Amino acid sequence: QKEVEQDPGPLSVPEGAIVSLNCTYSNSAFQYFMWYRQYSRKGPELLMYTYSSGNKEDGRFTAQVDKSSKYISLFIRDSQPSDSATYLCAIRQGGSEKLVFGKGTKLTVNP
Amino acid sequence: SQTIHQWPATLVQPVGSPLSLECTVEGTSNPNLYWYRQAAGRGLQLLFYSVGIGQISSEVPQNLSASRPQDRQFILSSKKLLLSDSGFYLCAWSGVLREAFFGQGTRLTVV
Repeated sequence: QKEVEQDPGPLSVPEGAIVSLNCTYSNSAFQYFMWYRQYSRKGPELLMYTYSSGNKEDGRFTAQVDKSSKYISLFIRDSQPSDSATYLCAIRQGGSEKLVFGKGTKLTVNP
Repeated sequence: SQTIHQWPATLVQPVGSPLSLECTVEGTSNPNLYWYRQAAGRGLQLLFYSVGIGQISSEVPQNLSASRPQDRQFILSSKKLLLSDSGFYLCAWSGVLREAFFGQGTRLTVV
């Protein structure tokens, strides 16, 4: 079983839609959860960082963690064409120096 | 503020030629430094990480090597490139929470 599973999509939505991106993980020792956005031919940029179950909101973005289900989500409200990118989840085990990344979900927001 | 520089942006090299990719970080001291490779459909693969000068941990056995000659400098090298070394190479540094901040990447094509 892979450590992190992420549906690669592609996902195509109309402008203004609510987008839900998800990852599941297998190891309950993972404690820290991140979401990255990567535009084509660019390096990933950190969007959200959380380490507890529940929701964390930043503008149009909400990160949700359910440790009991080993499931993390990123919601994008009022999606914009500029949100078109690949979104990667990343998780880290406590005490580890390394992040484990999902393969990324490619999102297209159509105007 | 912290910045990370990675060069070159693109590189085309013949099979069997050497490789040297350089990454430098500004605005922080003693960062953890990472080299990742991103291949189509395979996500981000951690190649090497370093917690200090001269300290290199290798994650994947292959014909690549890494060195950290200075606190904020990380170099990825190969003596003889293979076709399978083609990919998008990303350098990153991590903050106190071990979140990764990426450079803009080097797209390497081995021909």
